[in-house]
Amino acid sequence: DTEVTQTPKHLVMGMTNKKSLKCEQHMGHRAMYWYKQKAKKPPELMFVYSYEKLSINESVPSRFSPECPNSSLLNLHLHALQPEDSALYLCASSQAVANTGELFFGEGSRLTVL
Amino acid sequence: DAKTTQPNSMESNEEEPVHLPCNHSTISGTDYIHWYRQLPSQGPEYVIHGLTSNVNNRMASLAIAEDRKSSTLILHRATLRDAAVYYCILVVAGNQFYFGTGTSLTVIP
Repeated sequence: DTEVTQTPKHLVMGMTNKKSLKCEQHMGHRAMYWYKQKAKKPPELMFVYSYEKLSINESVPSRFSPECPNSSLLNLHLHALQPEDSALYLCASSQAVANTGELFFGEGSRLTVL
Repeated sequence: DAKTTQPNSMESNEEEPVHLPCNHSTISGTDYIHWYRQLPSQGPEYVIHGLTSNVNNRMASLAIAEDRKSSTLILHRATLRDAAVYYCILVVAGNQFYFGTGTSLTVIP
């Protein structure tokens, strides 16, 4: 199984809502990632978890709150978002040291903030 | 700051080779060079990676300049299914993947 599964595929939320994006992999990978991608732009790194601990936070606003409850799951909790946060949110996983391997991406969750 | 720079777009005729360039002048000695591609409505997928030597796999070849400040992804025979955005990426500190601006490849039948 080489899949990274993201749910939901589409999410519409208001600026006062609280919602979560979920990501799951069963490849035994110990690094998991969140990326944000705006239309016609490259993915931007948000967070990296290594061995279930947050190792990289690319100065992401606190209205985005990541969580890694176990080695297979990665969540992104959303609260008080702004319309400019509307984007495709991509999850990826890899071996703990990934530079000699590859990232496996999910198909993304498309978020619209009204 | 983007760590890699790529042309915005390129075109190729079907069945012909394609050379996609990437500049990464700020690369450090331990940074790996990765290439991914992204088809519409999909997440990026791995193409190839290297450190210093040229690399070949079933999808493509990667040619790395001797000073490592640039690299070229080579698709040997472009097909319509190769139409995608191709990203050149520097991997820093083992698992920090920073995407470049990407090249949108159009394959002409």
